[in-house]
Amino acid sequence: QKEVEQNSGPLSVPEGAIASLNCTYSDRGSQSFFWYRQYSGKSPELIMFIYSNGDKEDGRFTAQLNKASQYVSLLIRDSQPSDSATYLCAVNSADSSYKLIFGSGTRLLVRP
Amino acid sequence: GAGVSQSPSNKVTEKGKDVELRCDPISGHTALYWYRQSLGQGLEFLIYFQGNSAPDKSGLPSDRFSAERTGGSVSTLTIQRTQQEDSAVYLCASSLEAEGTQYFGPGTRLTVL
Repeated sequence: QKEVEQNSGPLSVPEGAIASLNCTYSDRGSQSFFWYRQYSGKSPELIMFIYSNGDKEDGRFTAQLNKASQYVSLLIRDSQPSDSATYLCAVNSADSSYKLIFGSGTRLLVRP
Repeated sequence: GAGVSQSPSNKVTEKGKDVELRCDPISGHTALYWYRQSLGQGLEFLIYFQGNSAPDKSGLPSDRFSAERTGGSVSTLTIQRTQQEDSAVYLCASSLEAEGTQYFGPGTRLTVL
């Protein structure tokens, strides 16, 4: 059973702080990694994708990938109350690369 | 441009009835996916279409579930003889190509009484 694991949270951080969200995956052959943000009652919205080891930055967001450790993370700098949402980590299946396997999400709360 | 659209946004039905859920992908996207999200859970893959073909139906939970796609565009997910455990949000996504980034529609919230 291919799995993606996330801490369910909630992760509570003060406004302006760095929020660090983590995800581990079991399928060593996975090549594509995604972070989606989901507000309560809404559909997932793509935040970042990363394919290569290392860091990828986009505005206040940085995705980090370590394939050897099967670990992917998302850093949110200068966290805002509007960042409060559930963050879903998704990993493509190695043998069915179009298929995304999702974690159950980490709930982030940014305190004003 | 227009994103993925789904209808209805909410559907309440009685146990044993059939329901149809519709998805309109982003124009030009060849790949289409259905997922299911139960309360407090992650997304569960149901089926994948490339064009009008469904090469992977492995996630459909039972033979009560079926889906089709016509004209390489609109897709319909049909659930026959609905059960209470079918209650969930059904999400559709599309991507430009098979391994491309998936963009999600707003979902259909299905409640089976």
